Amino acid sequence: DSGVTQTPKHLITATGQRVTLRCSPRSGDLSVYWYQQSLDQGLQFLIQYYNGEERAKGNILERFSAQQFPDLHSELNLSSLELGDSALYFCASSVEPTSSYEQYFGPGTRLTVT
Amino acid sequence: AQSVAQPEDQVNVAEGNPLTVKCTYSVSGNPYLFWYVQYPNRGLQFLLKYITGDNLVKGSYGFEAEFNKSQTSFHLKKPSALVSDSALYFCAVRDPTTGGSASKIIFGSGTRLSIRP
Repeated sequence: DSGVTQTPKHLITATGQRVTLRCSPRSGDLSVYWYQQSLDQGLQFLIQYYNGEERAKGNILERFSAQQFPDLHSELNLSSLELGDSALYFCASSVEPTSSYEQYFGPGTRLTVT
Repeated sequence: AQSVAQPEDQVNVAEGNPLTVKCTYSVSGNPYLFWYVQYPNRGLQFLLKYITGDNLVKGSYGFEAEFNKSQTSFHLKKPSALVSDSALYFCAVRDPTTGGSASKIIFGSGTRLSIRP
């Protein structure tokens, strides 16, 4: 158990809908990262937050947004969902935001868009 | 562009034999390199990292990796494979265009390791 929690574990929704994925980092970790894992795209970095502020952005669609709250939990919002958004979404956290520190991953949320 | 490549989609090894999972990278500056493992229906787990220092890095579960700057490689190795090592392995590298409090990791496409009894 990495100490990173994600809810829900599974999510099934229809095209055009909006969903929110939640992540709680390990105790003491200030930095949170979101990733999308799909069969054809592999593991893609979406966005990073550090202590409530956005710090790095990857291949995140404009329909997607995220935030990190004062208690350090983070939410990833996915809107106007398309079939291609079906994937595993992982959250990770690290002790420090510097890249010399390894990231600890949550169990993921499996999103299915029908 | 910064990238990391895992040239083998799948590696098959008999239990007890040594294993190698290959990784090459292309980044500017000094690379920060990582290996992660993913078991079925689980998140990724950190195995080991190279930041600086000794080129041979030891990690969890008996794994080690060798950093080779001239060949821009960071191959994962284990002297004696176990059936329980069967999983998906990812090599990753820090994107050197990020710094300070920003950190972006680029992952390889993954190599499925299968250990037969």
